[in-house]
Formats: sequence, C-alpha cells, structure tokens
Amino acid sequence: KAGVTQTPRYLIKTRGQQVTLSCSPISGHRSVSWYQQTPGQGLQFLFEYFSETQRNKGNFPGRFSGRQFSNSRSEMNVSTLELGDSALYLCASSLDGLGNTGELFFGEGSRLTVL
Amino acid sequence: KQEVTQIPAALSVPEGENLVLNCSFTDSAIYNLQWFRQDPGKGLTSLLLIQSSQREQTSGRLNASLDKSSGRSTLYIAASQPGDSATYLCAVHGSGNTGKLIFGQGTTLQVKP
Repeated sequence: KAGVTQTPRYLIKTRGQQVTLSCSPISGHRSVSWYQQTPGQGLQFLFEYFSETQRNKGNFPGRFSGRQFSNSRSEMNVSTLELGDSALYLCASSLDGLGNTGELFFGEGSRLTVL
Repeated sequence: KQEVTQIPAALSVPEGENLVLNCSFTDSAIYNLQWFRQDPGKGLTSLLLIQSSQREQTSGRLNASLDKSSGRSTLYIAASQPGDSATYLCAVHGSGNTGKLIFGQGTTLQVKP
C-alpha cells in the first residue's frame, strides 16, 4: 500500500513568486492536513481538508491556501512568497469515519527555499 | 490554548541504555496522543498512538504511556541502538477526530555506538 506522496520534494523560488505543492493521500483516506515545519517555530498546522471542504484552519495569513479534489488529492498554494516561508511543508492523511483512531500518516515533505 | 512541551530537548546516550522521553500538555481534554520519529530532512514516521481512554501502547522496544489527568506522556525506548538516533515528536489531538495536531518541539536523540 503506497504511503502519502508529496511533490515536488525540493524547490527554490524567489520572493514575490507563488508556489503550488501537491499531496496524494493513502488510498482510502479522505482527510488531508498540511503542516509547516521551521527550525524556529517547529511544526505548525496550516489547514485540513475533508470531502473537498476545508474543515480546520490554522493561524496563517491568507497567502496560504489549499484545496482538495474529488479523489482526495490535495494541493496547497502560497502566493507572494516571503523569505520566512522557507520551510519543510508536510502533508498528512488519515482515515476519517466512525471508529477511526485518528492516526495521521505523513509524507516526506516538500522543502521550499525562498531566495 | 493547548501547549505541548517535550523534555529534554536533546539527549545523548551510549548504545544499550534504556531511556525515557517526556511530553506534557496543558489541556487534558485530548482525543488521542501520537508519538513520531523524524530523521534529518525527512517526514514523520508514526510510532505509537494512544487513545484518550488508554494508558499505554507498546510496539517492539517502544512503550508509550499516557496520564491524561496530569497532562503527561512518556516514550520508553528499551536497549537503545544507534539506529534509534532521530528526533522524537509528541503530538496531541484536541477533542474531535480531525487532522489538527499540536506538536511539541521534539527531543533529539543520539545513541552512540
């Protein structure tokens, strides 16, 4: 069974550009969450999507957005990039539903560097 | 607001030692608690999940305990090996089955041969 797949793994952008990251969850998982990891702030929750709807949102500016498709794949977008957006962006999926344990499974992440 | 703290921030031990990593959280109303391992530059690997109604979970040389009332969890690693060197992260789920986890800052473990 394939795990959570994130693309691209590495990317370099310049300030002011925008970036789109992709996440394919484990087959059958309907919840996809996104996290930002930086040395200073650690792991912070960005947002969660379930059934193509944003179910939860963290404390990030509106430049950070996401969406989920009917096949549960998700994308996140960051517009007008700033130096501080340099981070490892992690995607997690979980099997949502009655009786679910709530265990999250993470991908390898997308390492974004903003110059 | 839920806050998660992990102590110590770093730990270096000789191979073969048994060790304990600590995690504390401020709000005892949690859905579950999950321990992860992260190797440098990699994603997170789920180690153990403890539901709020459980006291402990075991997997191989790992044992995690949960004391909700005191807001504490411990991860016990038996007979440590150099391959256990990594950062260990504790995360709590607030009430409700959602994808939102609150993470601690992690404990970076080095096991010396």
